Amino acid sequence: DAGITQSPRHKVTETGTPVTLRCHQTENHRYMYWYRQDPGHGLRLIHYSYGVKDTDKGEVSDGYSVSRSKTEDFLLTLESATSSQTSVYFCAISTGGVETQYFGPGTRLLVL
Amino acid sequence: AQSVTQLGSHVSVSEGALVLLRCNYSSSVPPYLFWYVQYPNQGLQLLLKYTSAATLVKGINGFEAEFKKSETSFHLTKPSAHMSDAAEYFCAGSFGSSNTGKLIFGQGTTLQVKP
Repeated sequence: DAGITQSPRHKVTETGTPVTLRCHQTENHRYMYWYRQDPGHGLRLIHYSYGVKDTDKGEVSDGYSVSRSKTEDFLLTLESATSSQTSVYFCAISTGGVETQYFGPGTRLLVL
Repeated sequence: AQSVTQLGSHVSVSEGALVLLRCNYSSSVPPYLFWYVQYPNQGLQLLLKYTSAATLVKGINGFEAEFKKSETSFHLTKPSAHMSDAAEYFCAGSFGSSNTGKLIFGQGTTLQVKP
């Protein structure tokens, strides 16, 4: 299995609070991605990174920011959580192009 | 805009029966297509992928898929379902994304296998 961990695995928070999710990889892959999974929508890309300090938006980036200060870590921040951000968040890594994306175990976030 | 559509959010088959999960795409550029499987409370695992080589792609666990450009389809099949195949399946595409590998996912299909 690809070395990808996500923390925390579960989180309950209140509307308006900041939340940071962490993705850590041990594979030294260049590309890292954050997706959210919601029933009926499959997975949707939030942000992705193509190198240290290089990030770009995905299709559902509003309300989210990311940072990548080291190859191995990709952080997703909800500056002010809303109930619509209740979801399961997955991190993925790849070497780019058509190479396989390897997914982490997910973080289940509940915003009350 | 590109899109991926999975027909049928739930599919139920008997153990030993043929599994057919449908996926269609919309794109003006050649796609790269993937099937992933997700078991309960786990991440996604790649089953197979089409990257413009052979149109019939074989994957893990006895699954295969055929890319049909004329039908803009990439349906997933398995000749004989096993109880352990019960999971959620996602079709995904990468469309002209150069090296970024960004994926667009279908809505997912839950496969139920009955004894």
